[in-house]
Amino acid sequence: ILNVEQSPQSLHVQEGDSTNFTCSFPSSNFYALHWYRWETAKSPEALFVMTLNGDEKKKGRISATLNTKEGYSYLYIKGSQPEDSATYLCALNMDSNYQLIWGAGTKLIIKP
Amino acid sequence: SAVISQKPSRDICQRGTSLTIQCQVDSQVTMMFWYRQQPGQSLTLIATANQGSEATYESGFVIDKFPISRPNLTFSTLTVSNMSPEDSSIYLCSVNRAQETQYFGPGTRLLVL
Repeated sequence: ILNVEQSPQSLHVQEGDSTNFTCSFPSSNFYALHWYRWETAKSPEALFVMTLNGDEKKKGRISATLNTKEGYSYLYIKGSQPEDSATYLCALNMDSNYQLIWGAGTKLIIKP
Repeated sequence: SAVISQKPSRDICQRGTSLTIQCQVDSQVTMMFWYRQQPGQSLTLIATANQGSEATYESGFVIDKFPISRPNLTFSTLTVSNMSPEDSSIYLCSVNRAQETQYFGPGTRLLVL
């Protein structure tokens, strides 16, 4: 059984602080790793897709890194803002087809 | 990207009844996907809906419980049949684009009493 694990399950962060959380996955048969943000009452929104070991992607205050050899990805948020409150999901592609294996998500709550 | 709408956005249903969820995409797509997320769980793929053929169901999901229609390249429905409280979930449809990135509808929040 293939598992994509995310930690922590939930996280409370003070506004203005930086934070990060983890996605762990089996390192064999890796094709791509996706990060999504899911705000309440909205659609999950694609943030990043990463394919190469050592990849680093950035979108505004949010960035992500990838280590395919050890099977983990970190998502970083710099200077958290209330609008960053959401559940952050990672998903693994093991080959080029559409199948994604999802983590359970990290629920981020930004305290003003 | 893709613009995807779902109806209804939420519903409260009695056990034993059925609910049909609609998914509309703003452009033609080959494959549409139906997911659910039960409380505290990962997104789980229910089935892939292909236009012109039977849907492909994942392990643990059957057509009698989750019948799917795909009458054209922009529309699909998922029916949750003979509902029980365990079917209370968020149901999402999605389509994929470049690099297998999937774009999601806003979801249908279902509560079964």
